[in-house]
Amino acid sequence: DTGVSQNPRHKITKRGQNVTFRCDPISEHNRLYWYRQTLGQGPEFLTYFQNEAQLEKSRLLSDRFSAERPKGSFSTLEIQRTEQGDSAMYLCASSLQGTGSPLHFGNGTRLTVT
Amino acid sequence: EDQVTQSPEALRLQEGESSSLNCSYTVSGLRGLFWYRQDPGKGPEFLFTLYSAGEEKEKERLKATLTKKESFLHITAPKPEDSATYLCAVRGGLGGATNKLIFGTGTLLAVQP
Repeated sequence: DTGVSQNPRHKITKRGQNVTFRCDPISEHNRLYWYRQTLGQGPEFLTYFQNEAQLEKSRLLSDRFSAERPKGSFSTLEIQRTEQGDSAMYLCASSLQGTGSPLHFGNGTRLTVT
Repeated sequence: EDQVTQSPEALRLQEGESSSLNCSYTVSGLRGLFWYRQDPGKGPEFLFTLYSAGEEKEKERLKATLTKKESFLHITAPKPEDSATYLCAVRGGLGGATNKLIFGTGTLLAVQP
């Protein structure tokens, strides 16, 4: 168990550019989640997958955000036409299927939009 | 709407000074209350899951308890290495309609030697 891996750890981009983040979950976990966290706040849910199916998306998620998990393993989160308000830590987590299964988080990708 | 409120926002303790953190929740059908620890620049680290009122879980100097409306994280004789932000989260949704966790804003704990 090597844990949840996220790349890159840091990303600085200019407003209007597109960015893509990658998440590699714990290998036996079939659920994968994306969260966003800003300073002084708790993680805010964005979306989650069970295997390759995207089962839930936050109503707060702009259509500039898209996530994929093509083969039910790694996932990517793309933000198009970035805005300064997108600056945050983007966290990925994975879990086993089951009501009580906790989420195991990676160390996130910190995005700064200038 | 499911909601989690944590208090206090920040807490400063002397080493060895025990205290408790509070997590109040409103959820439609609790399917788990989760405690996490988060160090600066890192992702949250899982500590405990609680399912039903009256349940307790312990790990080293930490003990989590659950009632029908709130959970407490008790820290006994804390050490400086316990300094971190402690996050509470709930999984709700009757009938398994959702599997996401809803997080509170956390309690920033600082333990001074």
